[in-house]
Amino acid sequence: SAVISQKPSRDICQRGTSLTIQCQVDSQVTMMFWYRQQPGQSLTLIATANQGSEATYESGFVIDKFPISRPNLTFSTLTVSNMSPEDSSIYLCSVRRPYNEQFFGPGTRLTVL
Amino acid sequence: SQELEQSPQSLIVQEGKNLTINCTSSKTLYGLYWYKQKYGEGLIFLMMLQKGGEEKSHEKITAKLDEKKQQSSLHITASQPSHAGIYLCGADVSNFGNEKLTFGTGTRLTIIP
Repeated sequence: SAVISQKPSRDICQRGTSLTIQCQVDSQVTMMFWYRQQPGQSLTLIATANQGSEATYESGFVIDKFPISRPNLTFSTLTVSNMSPEDSSIYLCSVRRPYNEQFFGPGTRLTVL
Repeated sequence: SQELEQSPQSLIVQEGKNLTINCTSSKTLYGLYWYKQKYGEGLIFLMMLQKGGEEKSHEKITAKLDEKKQQSSLHITASQPSHAGIYLCGADVSNFGNEKLTFGTGTRLTIIP
């Protein structure tokens, strides 16, 4: 298994500001993902964080809005830029080793006023 | 795109009763993952199924993947308040084992005394 920590665990932000969420894994993993879970909804994949190169974004998500960094195999950040109330969600970091289970961090609960 | 249907969407069960949650796909599932989520928190990995007909159990929870690998069920025996939460199925739709999971819509389970 993998132990994943996220910071912050929750935040309340003002419209138009940006928030950076950190994800730390206790061991090296090849695959790292960022998901969003809007209130009452299932999980939606934002992007795959690639070590040493630009993230791969899913349809509907763009780098300018959700810049992602992954400087090494144990750490990644997701920034939610120019926030609006529609960005209020739980943001989840997730990791996976090939042909193995996928694990999730505890999530970051974001509220935008 | 891959779609996973979960049923029921919500379930209210008396403590001590058994229950079943289903996850159905229109395409072959190369891996099926069950997670539990407490309100506003991260996902807890429960079980992973990969082979047709496979069945796994942990404590009072049993998950099965059908022979055709298009449907999975999660069965809880003698439910307890600790089983309450949202249950999500996630699917691996490729045989490469290194891609993102697609998630079902979730089942909200409430246990009443």
